[in-house]
Amino acid sequence: NAGVMQNPRHLVRRRGQEARLRCSPMKGHSHVYWYRQLPEEGLKFMVYLQKENIIDESGMPKERFSAEFPKEGPSILRIQQVVRGDSAAYFCASSPRGGGASSGNTIYFGEGSWLTVV
Amino acid sequence: KNEVEQSPQNLTAQEGEFITINCSYSVGISALHWLQQHPGGGIVSLFMLSSGKKKHGRLIATINIQEKHSSLHITASHPRDSAVYICAVPPGGADGLTFGKGTHLIIQP
Repeated sequence: NAGVMQNPRHLVRRRGQEARLRCSPMKGHSHVYWYRQLPEEGLKFMVYLQKENIIDESGMPKERFSAEFPKEGPSILRIQQVVRGDSAAYFCASSPRGGGASSGNTIYFGEGSWLTVV
Repeated sequence: KNEVEQSPQNLTAQEGEFITINCSYSVGISALHWLQQHPGGGIVSLFMLSSGKKKHGRLIATINIQEKHSSLHITASHPRDSAVYICAVPPGGADGLTFGKGTHLIIQP
């Protein structure tokens, strides 16, 4: 499967623990987006990364959340000291070219990672 | 900031009916995305269009850039079309997409 791969698909964490969500973009894609879908709400943009660079993190909460996309390996969305309000589906998407969503690139989504904080 | 409005929010129809879902946005864009999300599932990109009309199987998407409006049509609808359909546009001034709240479509046999 050459699509966008996310893991884990489901993750349960206790309050205060750390959650790490991984995303491997489609082969040949070097642009990754993370989106969050809270229960009963629409999708919200979090962060846009290229290899080794954060391009736009305007949608990221100021604290506890971080993202990276290293030269080798998947993109990681890290949530420290999780709280119940972090329970959501986290979607990763990738695109083959730069310019962000405004450029009109087709964006390919992963299956999502469902985080439950208990 | 681009505001996205979808209608209807919920739609139940009988198998075979012609379905239309509408999307309006407030800020001019270069391209609009239609996405499909099945219950508990991932997101599939259906269309990305910047003008005119695109067709893929029984799905047709149209966009009117001047009126800032797009429609998604499903012909000969089938129960497997039941899903949430989401319209998304560039937000203006940022790189991610801004999403509509989605249209929950149920096609009954």
